[in-house]
Amino acid sequence: EIVMTQSPATLSVSPGERATLSCRATQSVTSNLAWYQLKPGQAPRLLIYGASTRATGIPARFSGSGSGTEFTLTISSLQSEDFAVYYCQQYYKWPRTFGQGTKLEIK
Amino acid sequence: EVQLVQSGGEVKKPGESLKISCKGSGYNFATYWIGWVRQMPGQGLEWMGIIYPSDSDTRYSPSFQGQVTISVDKSISTAYLQWSSLKASDTAMYYCARRSNPSDFDYWGQGTLVIVSS
Repeated sequence: EIVMTQSPATLSVSPGERATLSCRATQSVTSNLAWYQLKPGQAPRLLIYGASTRATGIPARFSGSGSGTEFTLTISSLQSEDFAVYYCQQYYKWPRTFGQGTKLEIK
Repeated sequence: EVQLVQSGGEVKKPGESLKISCKGSGYNFATYWIGWVRQMPGQGLEWMGIIYPSDSDTRYSPSFQGQVTISVDKSISTAYLQWSSLKASDTAMYYCARRSNPSDFDYWGQGTLVIVSS
């Protein structure tokens, strides 16, 4: 199966600053890559699909890039509500697989 | 409005069986895959498996094959995740989610907390 590795495990950033999260696949997933946000007590929320397309209702400060095996999620100016755990997921091959997550915390 | 509503939390003993559910509404349930995702306490998301309601085509992650059964009753727009003999290590939050094209999991249920303890 395709293994997804996210880095860093924890990222400390101040509100208003930019956050850059990385995700790497053990083999090419072309652009079949999604990013999800998970907050305590809430269901996961789809942010980005197709590596770079924002899901419905997602603010423009969230952007995704990459293809093949290297992907990035960028949050341009962090708001208080953005501090959460972020997961990448490949949907190129069965079984689908998630990264282990990056916790974005307030610095 | 698309909604996935999951059954309530469960507290079970090791060795007991369990079936949790996920009811879809607001869309053509039969034509979208429904998947299940596990989140163990303090851990990340794990993709368990997925089913296509129209023909019950099912795919499992190797990690979960033989450990759980995914099924569906399209007549009542409901997918299920079941265990025949629970273990303490099955304690987790379980989410169902709808797979769309091209976005994969676009809508999620609210989660079902399963606690297995003697």
